[in-house]
Amino acid sequence: AQSVAQPEDQVNVAEGNPLTVKCTYSVSGNPYLFWYVQYPNRGLQFLLKYITGDNLVKGSYGFEAEFNKSQTSFHLKKPSALVSDSALYFCAVSGFQKLVFGTGTRLLVSP
Amino acid sequence: DAGITQSPRYKITETGRQVTLMCHQTWSHSYMFWYRQDLGHGLRLIYYSAAADITDKGEVPDGYVVSRSKTENFPLTLESATRSQTSVYFCASSNRGINQPQHFGDGTRLSIL
Repeated sequence: AQSVAQPEDQVNVAEGNPLTVKCTYSVSGNPYLFWYVQYPNRGLQFLLKYITGDNLVKGSYGFEAEFNKSQTSFHLKKPSALVSDSALYFCAVSGFQKLVFGTGTRLLVSP
Repeated sequence: DAGITQSPRYKITETGRQVTLMCHQTWSHSYMFWYRQDLGHGLRLIYYSAAADITDKGEVPDGYVVSRSKTENFPLTLESATRSQTSVYFCASSNRGINQPQHFGDGTRLSIL
């Protein structure tokens, strides 16, 4: 069965610094990987996805993610963090007929 | 654009009562999903539907019932609510299945006393 791990409950970064939110996955076959963001009292919003092709995937709001097959990782990155990036971030992997989400990582960007 | 709307946004009820959460989407997406979000668990799939009149169980279906008589609506019913069903419930839709991005409603916060 597919699974996703987000090892950090919270990531703190100063505005203007690069940020990384970590995700590792386990799935049979080729992975379909996603990142979503959730702001307070809102539903999840799609950021980006990896299906096949380039290992660096670009998404919304300046976010990108790096797929590493050997390390089974799909880390979310942004070169320069903004205070408005503070939110809850979810990694997800799709398998047979369902999307499995990680437990989420709270990103706090300080001014 | 209206997108996907859930109602009510907040609901308080008592154990043993039946409660229905509504979900409506305006995109005519074929797939719709119900998730619950709990601290420490992320989102877990309750039920999903690939088309009108086609539904299937997800990871945590016990105690829930769904129907989909029309493409745009996907109500979730708790037949006899229990305290363990206190959660935030999200409806989502996608056009062509689980390997496509899902669009989420803003959720229903359900408290069962």
